[in-house]
Amino acid sequence: SQQGEEDPQALSIQEGENATMNCSYKTSINNLQWYRQNSGRGLVHLILIRSNEREKHSGRLRVTLDTSKKSSSLLITASRAADTASYFCATQRDGTGGFKTIFGAGTRLFVKA
Amino acid sequence: EPEVTQTPSHQVTQMGQEVILRCVPISNHLYFYWYRQILGQKVEFLVSFYNNEISEKSEIFDDQFSVERPDGSNFTLKIRSTKLEDSAMYFCASKGGDYGYTFGSGTRLTVV
Repeated sequence: SQQGEEDPQALSIQEGENATMNCSYKTSINNLQWYRQNSGRGLVHLILIRSNEREKHSGRLRVTLDTSKKSSSLLITASRAADTASYFCATQRDGTGGFKTIFGAGTRLFVKA
Repeated sequence: EPEVTQTPSHQVTQMGQEVILRCVPISNHLYFYWYRQILGQKVEFLVSFYNNEISEKSEIFDDQFSVERPDGSNFTLKIRSTKLEDSAMYFCASKGGDYGYTFGSGTRLTVV
């Protein structure tokens, strides 16, 4: 089964630095999404990149997708302490009913003030 | 901004008891999902629901689990006879089209 796998598992940086998280997956996809989860809370959708797109921006977020390598990266520029959270990539393929999404194990980002 | 609402936020139940987790998806969404996350682990797909029936389910979603959309607004997940290993955060999500999911804030289920 397809699966997003993020690396690193944990990342600790200083406020103001950029944070880069990577995701690899195994099978063909329709799109790839990044989600954020604060500790013990729900998942917040950050950005979606389709399989025919290579790069997408949203505010301080930049996502790239390389379908030949089956990988994606999430870059958070000028990080803030409030960016501290877990970040998950999720791959979506066309299932039998509305695009089943598989989540990776996540990267824990800690931004030190 | 439209939200997916889940209730209760925390449920404690005795092993062997039935629980019903409730969700109110976004009103014009057509696809509904349940995911769970055991503490410290990844988010796992349980089931997707479309057009009033299950469209896909995972190996986790065995006969102990069922879903229902009883009244056109609520979307429920029932666990018939809870086990200790069912303790997890359960997330409901809905989706309107070819975009990301909107997740609820989750129900923390603790089976004792």
